[in-house]
Amino acid sequence: KAGVTQTPRYLIKTRGQQVTLSCSPISGHRSVSWYQQTPGQGLQFLFEYFSETQRNKGNFPGRFSGRQFSNSRSEMNVSTLELGDSALYLCASSLLSSQMNTEAFFGQGTRLTVV
Amino acid sequence: DAKTTQPPSMDCAEGRAANLPCNHSTISGNEYVYWYRQIHSQGPQYIIHGLKNNETNEMASLIITEDRKSSTLILPHATLRDTAVYYCIVRRYNAGNMLTFGGGTRLMVKP
Repeated sequence: KAGVTQTPRYLIKTRGQQVTLSCSPISGHRSVSWYQQTPGQGLQFLFEYFSETQRNKGNFPGRFSGRQFSNSRSEMNVSTLELGDSALYLCASSLLSSQMNTEAFFGQGTRLTVV
Repeated sequence: DAKTTQPPSMDCAEGRAANLPCNHSTISGNEYVYWYRQIHSQGPQYIIHGLKNNETNEMASLIITEDRKSSTLILPHATLRDTAVYYCIVRRYNAGNMLTFGGGTRLMVKP
């Protein structure tokens, strides 16, 4: 069973540009969450999508956005990149039911460097 | 979700049990305790979770105190590959796929 796949693994962008990161969840998983990890702030929740709808959102500016497609694949977009957006972006998928949560499985992440 | 407190770092000798504590004194009745770990440059990995009973799986054991205000993750025979940052997370059962990570404990397993 394939794990969570994130592409690309590494990315270098210039300030002011925008970037799109992709996440393919484990087959059958309908929930996808995104996290940002930096040395200073640690792991921070960005947003969660379930069945193409945003369920939860973290405390990030509107430059950070995401979406989920009908096949559960998800993308996140960061516009007008700033140096501080340099981070490891992690995606996690989960098989959720209406009764309880199950564990989240993380991808290897996309390392974004803004120069 | 309840806040957790963990020691920033711990050492453990290879082959010995690693006992990682977590304090979650404000936990409420419908919140579970989850443990994840992150090996350098990889995504976090789920280890175990529990509500009030002790739990064991192939990776670790989770001991939750009777008042549920603290818990201990036990790696029975630590190996060098267990060197990682371990995160204790308290999460409501219906919180969706949203995890609130604290600073975690950096466990160093030494030969």
